[in-house]
Amino acid sequence: KAGVTQTPRYLIKTRGQQVTLSCSPISGHRSVSWYQQTPGQGLQFLFEYFSETQRNKGNFPGRFSGRQFSNSRSEMNVSTLELGDSALYLCASSDGTGISYEQYFGPGTRLTVT
Amino acid sequence: QKEVEQNSGPLSVPEGAIASLNCTYSDRVSQSFFWYRQYSGKSPELIMSIYSNGDKEDGRFTAQLNKASQYVSLLIRDSQPSDSATYLCAVNPRSNYQLIWGAGTKLIIKP
Repeated sequence: KAGVTQTPRYLIKTRGQQVTLSCSPISGHRSVSWYQQTPGQGLQFLFEYFSETQRNKGNFPGRFSGRQFSNSRSEMNVSTLELGDSALYLCASSDGTGISYEQYFGPGTRLTVT
Repeated sequence: QKEVEQNSGPLSVPEGAIASLNCTYSDRVSQSFFWYRQYSGKSPELIMSIYSNGDKEDGRFTAQLNKASQYVSLLIRDSQPSDSATYLCAVNPRSNYQLIWGAGTKLIIKP
């Protein structure tokens, strides 16, 4: 089985711009979670989508949004970028059911905002 | 009180010794527990999951769960320099499909 893929892997944007990141989960997985990771802050949960519906949401401002398509691929969008948005953005794939909620991560997208 | 707590380290262990990593959690009804390894600049990799009290072994790794004391640990036997990484503990507190993460413990294996 192919693993989780994320595109692009690296991105440089200017403050005030917007960005869209993409995640393709493991085949058959219907849950996609998004995380932000910065040095010293650990993994911060953004949101989780299951079968095209946002099921969980973290404490991030409305500038951060996401969606999921019928093929389970997911995108996240950040509008009006700020310098503090520079981070590694990770998506994690899971079958999304049962107690065995194992998540498998993609390689991440490293976003730099200048 | 943080929901999932880990000692940030770094934890320094000689090569060949046993590395012991600990994690405590606050929600008593938590049902599933995970250990991830993250190398610098890379994404987290799932190495162990555990759901029942007791020990679960997989190669050189053993996960231990004690729900009464609300802790989960990871033992790495015969530690190798390649085990040097940050180890993240994650808990699914109420099967609501949102993992709660510890801040991670940095492990250094000294040759």
